[in-house]
Amino acid sequence: ETGVTQSPTHLIKTRGQQVTLRCSSQSGHNTVSWYQQALGQGPQFIFQYYREEENGRGNFPPRFSGLQFPNYSSELNVNALELDDSALYLCASSPRGGGQETQYFGPGTRLLVL
Amino acid sequence: AQSVTQLDSHVSVSEGTPVLLRCNYSSSYSPSLFWYVQHPNKGLQLLLKYTSAATLVKGINGFEAEFKKSETSFHLTKPSAHMSDAAEYFCVVSVPYTGKLIFGQGTTLQVKP
Repeated sequence: ETGVTQSPTHLIKTRGQQVTLRCSSQSGHNTVSWYQQALGQGPQFIFQYYREEENGRGNFPPRFSGLQFPNYSSELNVNALELDDSALYLCASSPRGGGQETQYFGPGTRLLVL
Repeated sequence: AQSVTQLDSHVSVSEGTPVLLRCNYSSSYSPSLFWYVQHPNKGLQLLLKYTSAATLVKGINGFEAEFKKSETSFHLTKPSAHMSDAAEYFCVVSVPYTGKLIFGQGTTLQVKP
């Protein structure tokens, strides 16, 4: 069974640019959630996708957007990058949407904005 | 509203001694609670999960946690620390019907030889 995978592992961008991060969910999972983890802090929920629809969103501006594809993989897009967007971005998958299911995390993408 | 508070930002123990990482929660609903561990430069790994079945939950690697509703606590324990337990530990509560997990600020566990 393949776990959650993310790409790329590391990324460096400059302020104002756009970035796309990718996530492949664990086999059999149809729900993907994205989190931002700033240095020294706990992860913060960005949004969740369930069967290609946004199922919940945290307190992040609209320049953070996402997609989920028919194979349940997902993308996180961030426009107009700011220095504070530098963080570890974590993707998690679960068997179905809602709050009760265990979420299984990928290794993350570390984004540095200069 | 749901929230979790990890009472210690840093815990240091000697190898072979017990581990106690403290977490208090606040929830309007019967909560689902989790403990995750994060080793340096790695993703998050689930240690254990509470969903109102048994109040004492056993997890991986000898960890367990006890749900105490009267104290709104969900402390993580292990009888004997191992060097490989050194990591960041997060107490987490889920928000029903939203898919949102709310993380505590984390506790860094240091294990001394």
